[in-house]
Amino acid sequence: AQKVTQAQTEISVVEKEDVTLDCVYETRDTTYYLFWYKQPPSGELVFLIRRNSFDEQNEISGRYSWNFQKSTSSFNFTITASQVVDSAVYFCALGSSGTYKYIFGTGTRLKVLA
Amino acid sequence: NAGVTQTPKFQVLKTGQSMTLQCAQDMNHNSMYWYRQDPGMGLRLIYYSASEGTTDKGEVPNGYNVSRLNKREFSLRLESAAPSQTSVYFCASSDYRAQLFFGSGTQLSVL
Repeated sequence: AQKVTQAQTEISVVEKEDVTLDCVYETRDTTYYLFWYKQPPSGELVFLIRRNSFDEQNEISGRYSWNFQKSTSSFNFTITASQVVDSAVYFCALGSSGTYKYIFGTGTRLKVLA
Repeated sequence: NAGVTQTPKFQVLKTGQSMTLQCAQDMNHNSMYWYRQDPGMGLRLIYYSASEGTTDKGEVPNGYNVSRLNKREFSLRLESAAPSQTSVYFCASSDYRAQLFFGSGTQLSVL
């Protein structure tokens, strides 16, 4: 069975601090996809990144970076020099290419204080 | 390009009433999904449709039915609403890259 665990329910940081959001997943599939989505206070779900199981390269996009490690089944997300606008709920998700099911974690609420 | 459109945006029902949430996508995606979001529970998959003509249960299908009317449309029906179905409902579709595109959500309250 697929499972995504985001153990951090809520994190508070002061602006300009770095913060890492953890994501641990479980799957028996050999081909799968991992995602991060952001849900700001307005409620929409904003796509941030997709990774497939064959690509373990870390990725950096501006202040955002992602660390994918198959050995520990983790796909962690780091925000460098956090800003108040980063305040949101962040979801990690796991998708199976075979079943087309996409399962989400329970989310981490990030509060960035000015 | 509208993407994924859900209607209605808000709905209040009384226990026992029925209603259908509508979802349409204009991106020619094969797969479509219904999720519900509850505080502390994240997004939970209710039903999905991998392609036109097929539907499958997700994590929390009880109390819901779905219809994949055509490639564009995927509706979610509550036959007899219960207070436990008070939630925010999101429809989504996905493309060949497996990226999910979400609608703006429906806030449903069952009294």
